[in-house]
Amino acid sequence: EVQLVDSGGVVVRPGGSLRLSCAASGFTFDDYGMAWVRQVPGKGLEWVSSINWSGDNTDYAESVKGRFTISRDNAKNALYLQMNSLRAEDTALYHCARAGDSSGYPNYYFDSWGQGTLVTVSS
Amino acid sequence: DIQMTQSPSTLSASVGARVTITCRANQSIAGWVAWYQQKPGKAPKLLIYRASRLHSGVPSRFSGSGSGTEFTLTINSLQPDDFATYYCQQYNSYSYTFGQGTKLDIK
Repeated sequence: EVQLVDSGGVVVRPGGSLRLSCAASGFTFDDYGMAWVRQVPGKGLEWVSSINWSGDNTDYAESVKGRFTISRDNAKNALYLQMNSLRAEDTALYHCARAGDSSGYPNYYFDSWGQGTLVTVSS
Repeated sequence: DIQMTQSPSTLSASVGARVTITCRANQSIAGWVAWYQQKPGKAPKLLIYRASRLHSGVPSRFSGSGSGTEFTLTINSLQPDDFATYYCQQYNSYSYTFGQGTKLDIK
C-alpha cells in the first residue's frame, strides 16, 4: 500500500525557516516524480513545487520561487521542502503528493497524497 | 499561468441524481486534466486523469470528458459517499493549477 507521511510543520515567525519531510513507503520511490501542494484550511489547492524522479528537474510556483527548495533522498525514500523567508501567506496545510503512474515530466497529476503537515507563520 | 475556472462553486443534489461540474481553461491544454475528490479533514483523492481516464478503484459512475479548454466531470446516480468537494487540475506543463473547487452537498 502506498503511504506518504508528511511531517515538520510548526508555528514559525515571519522571516523564519522550516524543513518539511515526507516519508514514502509501499512503492519504488525513485520511479516517481513528487510534489508539494498546499491548502489554506477551508480553501482550495495550490501547487507549490515538484521534482522529477532523479532530482534533476525541479519547478516552483512563482509565489515561492527563490524562497523554497524541493529535494529528495532516494536512498531514504524521502522528500523534503526547505522553506526560507516565510511569510504569513505561506500558512497552510502542506501535502506531499506522488505523480501518477501515467505521468511523465513535466505533465504531473497526483495519484497519492499525504495527510498534510500544518505550517503556521505568525508573530 | 493557465487559469482554471470551475463551476458551479456549490451544487445541491439528491441521492440518485446525475450532476456535472465544469472546468474551463484560459488556453488550450489538450487533455491534461485531472479531477479530485476531497472530504473534510482528508487528503484529495484522484478520480480521473488525462481528462477521461478513470483511476484504479474509482467507481464507474464517475466519468470525465473534454479537450482543449472545456472539461467536465459527471457523476451518475449520486451515492451518499459522493458528497464532497471536487477539484480539477491542469497539468499541461509545470506551474500546475487547480480549479477553485465545487462543493457538492445533499439537497
